[in-house]
Amino acid sequence: DGGITQSPKYLFRKEGQNVTLSCEQNLNHDAMYWYRQDPGQGLRLIYYSQIVNDFQKGDIAEGYSVSREKKESFPLTVTSAQKNPTAFYLCATNSGAKNIQYFGAGTRLSVL
Amino acid sequence: SQKIEQNSEALNIQEGKTATLTCNYTNYSPAYLQWYRQDPGRGPVFLLLIRENEKEKRKERLKVTFDTTLKQSLFHITASQPADSATYLCALIRGTGGSYIPTFGRGTSLIVHP
Repeated sequence: DGGITQSPKYLFRKEGQNVTLSCEQNLNHDAMYWYRQDPGQGLRLIYYSQIVNDFQKGDIAEGYSVSREKKESFPLTVTSAQKNPTAFYLCATNSGAKNIQYFGAGTRLSVL
Repeated sequence: SQKIEQNSEALNIQEGKTATLTCNYTNYSPAYLQWYRQDPGRGPVFLLLIRENEKEKRKERLKVTFDTTLKQSLFHITASQPADSATYLCALIRGTGGSYIPTFGRGTSLIVHP
């Protein structure tokens, strides 16, 4: 919440469809992250970006793609290759100092 | 890889009591450890951090301890209130090659009964 806006809040994906989750920040933080959260599970890192035009795979990057063309934006695409996309997706930025993570309100993705 | 264990069972306590949550980890020694609060359907919110060379940190009714020998952190909420009911996540921060990537536990649900 606060300076991180995720949209939409709810998203439905049809079979074989790619969908894109938006994450925008006005905190002027360099680092941004995407996490996936399943019921009863911890946050699992999908992708992260330390700087514009650069990003790295996290622990569960398969079936996802990202871009970082602007400091403020870090969109996540859930591709048709992701066979189990139903989850709560969280975007975060990193303050740098003390590496505190600031999270958005999340996007809940479901499969039709 | 880093493994973090938090009690998966919900912790139920009476209002006014002290809640104590546990975070155990294996393998690497983190540079520091953080605690977050998450309410249903919301993103986590940062509460406290403690560095590897610190034993204890306090903030209002919150206290965190860090025992690198036991590989354990304890998170205490004193004089608990129903509004403290939420899921609490611990996160280990380890530096690698100039990057600091957090690893989160699955969280423990705290329920404070009036």
